[in-house]
Amino acid sequence: EVQLVESGGGLVQPGGSLRLSCAASGFTFSSSWMHWVRQAPGKGLVWVSRTSSDLTTINYADSVKGRFTISRDNAKNTLYLQMNNLGAEDTAVYYCARAGNYYFSSWGQGTLVTVSS
Amino acid sequence: QSALTQPPSVSGSPGQSVTISCTGTSSDVGSYNRVSWYQQPPGTAPKVMIYDVNNRPSGVPDRFSGSKSGNTASLTISGLQAEDEADYYCSSLTSINTYVFGSGTKVNVL
Repeated sequence: EVQLVESGGGLVQPGGSLRLSCAASGFTFSSSWMHWVRQAPGKGLVWVSRTSSDLTTINYADSVKGRFTISRDNAKNTLYLQMNNLGAEDTAVYYCARAGNYYFSSWGQGTLVTVSS
Repeated sequence: QSALTQPPSVSGSPGQSVTISCTGTSSDVGSYNRVSWYQQPPGTAPKVMIYDVNNRPSGVPDRFSGSKSGNTASLTISGLQAEDEADYYCSSLTSINTYVFGSGTKVNVL
């Protein structure tokens, strides 16, 4: 069974940084493209970033480009999202998702990031 | 990248059919058959219901079907059931190798 477990969320001050993790199991993580998607409270889903299995292809939404960095450790079956210079607009539940063929095949339960002073 | 346009809500009685539209542009929905649909009951993570416009993953009831015409994709739920009450989102690949989601539609089962 595919399992994705996010962690690392919490309360951070504006301008601060946070690193999210996503522990994967139940599938061959090292062969899988992965995504981050976020959802502000009471709002819709917003795609954030994706990476190929070997980090050679990485894409970001314009809203996070230059501030967020996606990475992975295939030996640890873990996906990361380093978030810098956070603002109130980054407050959201962050989901990691396994990529299907141009869709999001499995999702974690999400981790909440709150940016507030 | 602006969100794809979906109606805020649709409603139907049990057994009826409802259709949710998802309107994009020639840079996303109109250019690729890479439209997918997600169901999100309150307080839970999304679940894929349709991918590549009209394909159902294993385990998704055949009451769910998808289609596309031009820049607009659609999800139809036939034989509506109480358990179908949830938020639904469409998504598409874009011409700049990013993804865009729809604004979301709440399905109400009367």
